[in-house]
Amino acid sequence: QKEVEQNSGPLSVPEGAIASLNCTYSDRGSQSFFWYRQYSGKSPELIMFIYSNGDKEDGRFTAQLNKASQYVSLLIRDSQPSDSATYLCAAWAPPRRFSGGYNKLIFGAGTRLAVHP
Amino acid sequence: SQTIHQWPATLVQPVGSPLSLECTVEGTSNPNLYWYRQAAGRGLQLLFYSVGIGQISSEVPQNLSASRPQDRQFILSSKKLLLSDSGFYLCAWRDRYTGELFFGEGSRLTVL
Repeated sequence: QKEVEQNSGPLSVPEGAIASLNCTYSDRGSQSFFWYRQYSGKSPELIMFIYSNGDKEDGRFTAQLNKASQYVSLLIRDSQPSDSATYLCAAWAPPRRFSGGYNKLIFGAGTRLAVHP
Repeated sequence: SQTIHQWPATLVQPVGSPLSLECTVEGTSNPNLYWYRQAAGRGLQLLFYSVGIGQISSEVPQNLSASRPQDRQFILSSKKLLLSDSGFYLCAWRDRYTGELFFGEGSRLTVL
């Protein structure tokens, strides 16, 4: 089982609609979650992060976290063609006991979003 | 403000040749630094992590190595490249307070 899973898409939405991107994670010890946007050929850029159950809003973006269901989502309102990109979900995995491990940010494979005019 | 730079941006190397990718961070001291690799159409794979000078943790054993000779410098190396080493290499630093990870511009490597 992958630690962070996303539907690869593509998710196609019309301009002005709400795009809903989903992500599940397997490690119940994960406490913080991040959404990155990656344009083709570019490095990922952080959109927002969420630590607490519930919703967190930032402009047109809303992140939702449900720790009981191990589910994270990102809603993009009033989608624009410029939002077309791959969206990466990531979770901090806690250190593994006795492994000398460390916190590491685990990424999903990403969901490709296409917003058409 | 903090900035992170990687170079070279693009390189094409023959199989068996050496590799050196560099990353520097400005505007922060003693940052946690990471090297990730992204193969074509794939997610980000963590390769190395460093909490300080000379301190490197390897996530995936392979023919790559990393070094941190200075506080804000992180280097990814290989003595002999394989075809499977092709990909988009990303250096990142972590904000200790928020946990946010910030990426450099990336280095795209093609091994022929």
